[in-house]
Amino acid sequence: GAVVSQHPSRVICKSGTSVKIECRSLDFQATTMFWYRQFPKKSLMLMATSNEGSKATYEQGVEKDKFLINHASLTLSTLTVTSAHPEDSSFYICSARAPGGPLRNEQFFGPGTRLTVL
Amino acid sequence: ILNVEQSPQSLHVQEGDSTNFTCSFPSSNFYALHWYRWETAKSPEALFVMTLNGDEKKKGRISATLNTKEGYSYLYIKGSQPEDSATYLCASGNNDMRFGAGTRLTVKP
Repeated sequence: GAVVSQHPSRVICKSGTSVKIECRSLDFQATTMFWYRQFPKKSLMLMATSNEGSKATYEQGVEKDKFLINHASLTLSTLTVTSAHPEDSSFYICSARAPGGPLRNEQFFGPGTRLTVL
Repeated sequence: ILNVEQSPQSLHVQEGDSTNFTCSFPSSNFYALHWYRWETAKSPEALFVMTLNGDEKKKGRISATLNTKEGYSYLYIKGSQPEDSATYLCASGNNDMRFGAGTRLTVKP
């Protein structure tokens, strides 16, 4: 199946710093990538949908100035958590949709990034 | 049902046991139901996508059924093995998939 990588897998930062997370589709071109957030024992919550070459579409309640998303190429989307605070500590995971294929709108997930803000 | 819900939250079974768990989802405006298998420190792996009421899918010892009218899907594992230990996620929707919180399965040797 298609492979999606995510980097870094784990990051610890001080409050007030910005953190960039990269999501790459390694063996296919992804016109659409998705960013999710998961709190402990909770569901994956969709934060935003990222389309290559255009602005991301954010879900209600997600601050677009806080979580900057850039989808500059068909294989790379980045999520930047700006001026991170402890409440931003969470597990962030991306997925990429492969055009065509046997499974309708199948999304391939990265392994996730654990962000801890001190 | 407004959200996607999964039960049980966790499950411990003995190797060789068969098991099943449930995903409930809003039946209105249904598009597709996805099942994922998520091992610790790895990416969620797609198991099944089902779209039609009555769909049944099978992959090895794992199978799933779908009832779109009442809004539920069952995932079955026959003869559980320790390597089946993982969190099983279901999600309903199209682009804006809504996930359940998962069922964490532990298979004891």
